[in-house]
Amino acid sequence: DGGITQSPKYLFRKEGQNVTLSCEQNLNHDAMYWYRQDPGQGLRLIYYSQIVNDFQKGDIAEGYSVSREKKESFPLTVTSAQKNPTAFYLCASRAPGGRNEQFFGPGTRLTVL
Amino acid sequence: AQSVTQLDSQVPVFEEAPVELRCNYSSSVSVYLFWYVQYPNQGLQLLLKYLSGSTLVKGINGFEAEFNKSQTSFHLRKPSVHISDTAEYFCAVSDLKRGSARQLTFGSGTQLTVLP
Repeated sequence: DGGITQSPKYLFRKEGQNVTLSCEQNLNHDAMYWYRQDPGQGLRLIYYSQIVNDFQKGDIAEGYSVSREKKESFPLTVTSAQKNPTAFYLCASRAPGGRNEQFFGPGTRLTVL
Repeated sequence: AQSVTQLDSQVPVFEEAPVELRCNYSSSVSVYLFWYVQYPNQGLQLLLKYLSGSTLVKGINGFEAEFNKSQTSFHLRKPSVHISDTAEYFCAVSDLKRGSARQLTFGSGTQLTVLP
């Protein structure tokens, strides 16, 4: 089955620690995205990548970093510089050509203790 | 830049009643329009999308939406809801500009609660 996997589903972190969220897709999509979801605020774009070895900041990139060394993988690191990291994080990839729809993973809920 | 406004944060409705979830958008360029559904602690699932052509779009689970360019709206409707439709619904837009990253801009979501 093709799809997007995110791990872990739940993650706990102490203040001051960096943590990396995994996102893998086997849909052969070039474009991938990271969103942050907070209650009542919808989803906000953190970073996106349109091709391997290239990525761009989204609307709320401060305190986050990404890499795109392989087409299938787009990990997100939440650094200690992120002031309020507790949130639900969603990874997505976009179908090529004119379809333009994004497919989402199941999400990772990060809680900072 | 685009923006999306979902006018109702909470919509309670009785089972088998009709429902409309409202979405208005703002953009200086042409856009694609989407509705996604999210069940608790899960990712988003595409309900339907408008790219071009007929302004009435049918999606999964009996939902449909109508694109109204003059009113910049894309309201979601279902003639008869079920308990299983209880979820959060997100409207989103993506621009059509050549070379853009096609990222989605989301509304703040509408929680649909279907009551027995």
